[in-house]
Parts: sequence; structure tokens; C-alpha cells
Amino acid sequence: RKEVEQDPGPFNVPEGATVAFNCTYSNSASQSFFWYRQDCRKEPKLLMSVYSSGNEDGRFTAQLNRASQYISLLIRDSKLSDSATYLCVVTAEGGFKTIFGAGTRLFVKA
Amino acid sequence: DAGVTQSPTHLIKTRGQQVTLRCSPISGHKSVSWYQQVLGQGPQFIFQYYEKEERGRGNFPDRFSARQFPNYSSELNVNALLLGDSALYLCASSLVDNYGYTFGSGTRLTVV
Repeated sequence: RKEVEQDPGPFNVPEGATVAFNCTYSNSASQSFFWYRQDCRKEPKLLMSVYSSGNEDGRFTAQLNRASQYISLLIRDSKLSDSATYLCVVTAEGGFKTIFGAGTRLFVKA
Repeated sequence: DAGVTQSPTHLIKTRGQQVTLRCSPISGHKSVSWYQQVLGQGPQFIFQYYEKEERGRGNFPDRFSARQFPNYSSELNVNALLLGDSALYLCASSLVDNYGYTFGSGTRLTVV
């Protein structure tokens, strides 16, 4: 079993749609959780941290369920510019190991 | 302020050779980590350094090594290169451990 698993995608959605990404992690001792965005042939960029209480930044909402070892990212009112790969990230081993999921590709079309 | 800078941006090496990749973190960032990314996959964790000490290591062979200098810059060394080492190597820095990282634009290594 992979340490971090994401929806394989790709997701193809029209502009204005709401899209949700799911991620599960295997290590119950994992400490920190993030969503990163990566554009084609670019470096990953931090989108937002994820907390059990939930975290919202504009159109983006992230949620963590520690009991289920599940992380989600919700994008509302999708824009063309949201087209990218979304990477789920978990830290383990006291925060000294950072594990990325394989990513989920999103295509937003006009 | 400058972001995370990596050098070189592109590199072509022959099987069996050795390579050194360099990374300068954002000013004030003491934590540096290295990742390998092949096309279609997420970055794979190689090393994490904080205050010049190795704090974490991923599942990579001993051919991979790294170090962090007093100014917090870092080098990643790969010995006895294999074709399978061809990838984008990313460096990232953070103020402290367990915090979101800022990535450099990477070094694309091709082994022929």
C-alpha cells in the first residue's frame, strides 16, 4: 500500500464547477498535511495547510479527518487557471520525512 | 527576496559518472529538503537537513548523499549514475521543520 494515495484522475470539469479531491495516508502518526499545486513543467507550490478544524482560502477548502486518515480539497467555482496537478502531502517521522502523493490532474474547460 | 535557487538548471551525464547539484534556500530558512520527480509521479523524498544535520532520509540507495553548509545552502551528490536517475531534482526550503516548503525550479538531470 502506498503511503499517500490520491484519486488517479484526470478530472475534466467545466468552468464554474465544484470539484473535490480525496487523499488517504497510511501512517497514523503523520503530523502535518498540505495541498500543493504543480503546473506543467514547474515546481510544486504550497496551496494550503490542512487542519482537523478545516481550512478555507477563498474558493479552496481543505479538510483533515485523522480518524479515517483522509484529507480532502474542495475547489468551488472552478477557473481555467485552476488547471494543474494537485498534490497531497503528509509529513511523518517527527516531521523529518515528507511524502507526496502521485497527484491528481485537473483540467478546467471553458 | 530571492526564492530557492538551484544550479545547474539542466545537466547531461554519462552512466557511471558522478553529479553534484546545488541549492540556496530562501534567506533565513534553515531547513532544506531534496526530492526526485519523474514524469507523471509526485516528488519522492530523498533527504531533509536542518541546521546542517541530516534529519530524514527517504528510500534511496547509498549512491545518494547530501550535506548542508553553515550558510544553510545544500548539495546533493549522486555517484555511479544510472539511466534511471534521470529525473527532475527539486530542492525546497522552510523556516522550520514540519512546515510548508518553498520549492526551487529544479535541476533536470539526464543520464545517457
